[in-house]
Amino acid sequence: QQQVKQSPQSLIVQKGGISIINCAYENTAFDYFPWYQQFPGKGPALLIAIRPDVSEKKEGRFTISFNKSAKQFSLHIMDSQPGDSATYFCAASYNFNKFYFGSGTKLNVKP
Amino acid sequence: EPEVTQTPSHQVTQMGQEVILRCVPISNHLYFYWYRQILGQKVEFLVSFYNNEISEKSEIFDDQFSVERPDGSNFTLKIRSTKLEDSAMYFCASSDTGMSNYGYTFGSGTRLTVV
Repeated sequence: QQQVKQSPQSLIVQKGGISIINCAYENTAFDYFPWYQQFPGKGPALLIAIRPDVSEKKEGRFTISFNKSAKQFSLHIMDSQPGDSATYFCAASYNFNKFYFGSGTKLNVKP
Repeated sequence: EPEVTQTPSHQVTQMGQEVILRCVPISNHLYFYWYRQILGQKVEFLVSFYNNEISEKSEIFDDQFSVERPDGSNFTLKIRSTKLEDSAMYFCASSDTGMSNYGYTFGSGTRLTVV
């Protein structure tokens, strides 16, 4: 059973454009939704996270939009830069114990 | 900035051999985790560890796997008899009280290759 579904699998965006990655979850008990950024050969690094009591969280160029009724959340990267090229994983957890990760989105920002 | 340190970065082992992957979590963290990532696939939870015992484990974490905190700083994952399908990146992670808004901190991983 896939607890967290992520799309698209890969994404190509021009520099300065908006990158949008979507995730859907199944378990309504999830109470924490982070996004991780992973560069080749490195571990996932926390980018931004949201709890279900808010519908949006913004940190710099990164925004999470959260739709509790639809059980969906998305990452928006504004003004995408070549340095943003990485694999992005959404995740979900309850009681902050184990995380269920999405399958990842490989983002390529073209100069 | 505090880091989770994993050693070795890459380990090659013969099928059937035992391997121990080592991690030094962030010093004031209390919760420890192991995840694995098969090449090109998603990150999968293996086990969580708190107060010197396993708090949760996945179906992947069978009797071939064990974890230990042998001293105050190290956290290890042992695979008793490696199989080809154990080849993956293994990530250690740690967190503070478990209720942080800052998520886990992951190490850079150990690439395990079973031949």
